[in-house]
Amino acid sequence: GDSVTQMEGPVTLSEEAFLTINCTYTATGYPSLFWYVQYPGEGLQLLLKATKADDKGSNKGFEATYRKETTSFHLEKGSVQVSDSAVYFCALSRSGGGADGLTFGKGTHLIIQP
Amino acid sequence: DAGVIQSPRHEVTEMGQEVTLRCKPISGHNSLFWYRQTMMRGLELLIYFNNNVPIDDSGMPEDRFSAKMPNASFSTLKIQPSEPRDSAVYFCASRSATRLSGYTFGSGTRLTVV
Repeated sequence: GDSVTQMEGPVTLSEEAFLTINCTYTATGYPSLFWYVQYPGEGLQLLLKATKADDKGSNKGFEATYRKETTSFHLEKGSVQVSDSAVYFCALSRSGGGADGLTFGKGTHLIIQP
Repeated sequence: DAGVIQSPRHEVTEMGQEVTLRCKPISGHNSLFWYRQTMMRGLELLIYFNNNVPIDDSGMPEDRFSAKMPNASFSTLKIQPSEPRDSAVYFCASRSATRLSGYTFGSGTRLTVV
């Protein structure tokens, strides 16, 4: 079945550091890939997405590129802020449009220290 | 747009009691999803509906769990009887099949069964 693997957390960085959160996936066909962010006590919010190979999703300084050859969708940000502290989830949708639900990774807790 | 609305935000109940969680999707969204989030298992898809029809309930853990969507603006997830291991955060999400957008999640219901 489909699966998403994320690096274990928590990840602790200093403000303005470079961020990478690794994500790899296993799926048949050509899934769409997503990053979601969850702040304490809240639901998940879509951060960015990519629907086909070599697409780059970007939002709020975060970027991720859909790499089919390595089945990866790593999340990056050049300079993190304290406000980026949250849990980040990588996810895939096999149907492309997402009509059959998302498969999530376990989540990576990011802590940014001032 | 009020987003996906879930109620209650918090629920504490005794083992053996019936629990009903409620969800109002975004108007115009025709797919609705119920997820469960625990520390051990992460985010799990329980069931999803397209146009009010249950499509896949293979994620529902046991017969004690049931979900309904009587109309396009309302869904319930019921647990009867509840058990301590059902304690989790339950999220509802909706999306439109006609737009290549991500899911919109509610703020979740934190269920504690004592």
